[in-house]
Amino acid sequence: GAGVSQSPSNKVTEKGKDVELRCDPISGHTALYWYRQRLGQGLEFLIYFQGNSAPDKSGLPSDRFSAERTGESVSTLTIQRTQQEDSAVYLCASSVVPLAAYEQYFGPGTRLTVT
Amino acid sequence: AQTVTQSQPEMSVQEAETVTLSCTYDTSESDYYLFWYKQPPSRQMILVIRQEAYKQQNATENRFSVNFQKAAKSFSLKISDSQLGDAAMYFCAYRSGNTGTASKLTFGTGTRLQVTL
Repeated sequence: GAGVSQSPSNKVTEKGKDVELRCDPISGHTALYWYRQRLGQGLEFLIYFQGNSAPDKSGLPSDRFSAERTGESVSTLTIQRTQQEDSAVYLCASSVVPLAAYEQYFGPGTRLTVT
Repeated sequence: AQTVTQSQPEMSVQEAETVTLSCTYDTSESDYYLFWYKQPPSRQMILVIRQEAYKQQNATENRFSVNFQKAAKSFSLKISDSQLGDAAMYFCAYRSGNTGTASKLTFGTGTRLQVTL
């Protein structure tokens, strides 16, 4: 596809369950970013990938959160033992390279609801 | 750490009128970029306009323009001839120009813009 895609679009899970969120970046984009947007808030940076490595994981809120990227393409954000405070929209973005001059293109996000 | 502040949670403008959204930021860096993003109900973040800090000239994109005051660390967005399709959340964002830290965008909390007939 032409843009960044994310799946699922919406996810409802019970507290304590694990969830996996998927991001497909634009083809050829080496940099991939995950952000979290809580209700009524701005986006918070979680992690970014350059290729398959993650030089900056500073935004991951706890060790329940992890992410990986394979084949310099798809990325998966995993949240273990979900808590209600994890409820948010999780947005993925990609750019050609991780430099400020290059635009980050965002996907439509995954809305996660933890009940 | 850099911070971005949007002090207007909500704004309203009549169709065809002009509205200005405010943004201030705090940084000790000299090389950085500032952005305005639009987020409609579809959740898709759309880049509206970008300003490089080293450029003195204010950026303009059709009906959208910015007033960049570097010394005051202010970056406001002006929307002229407002249209119904401009209704959305608008986020101001900062990104470092330093190669080693130019990964993340730092966002403000957003301004919800309503456009009325």
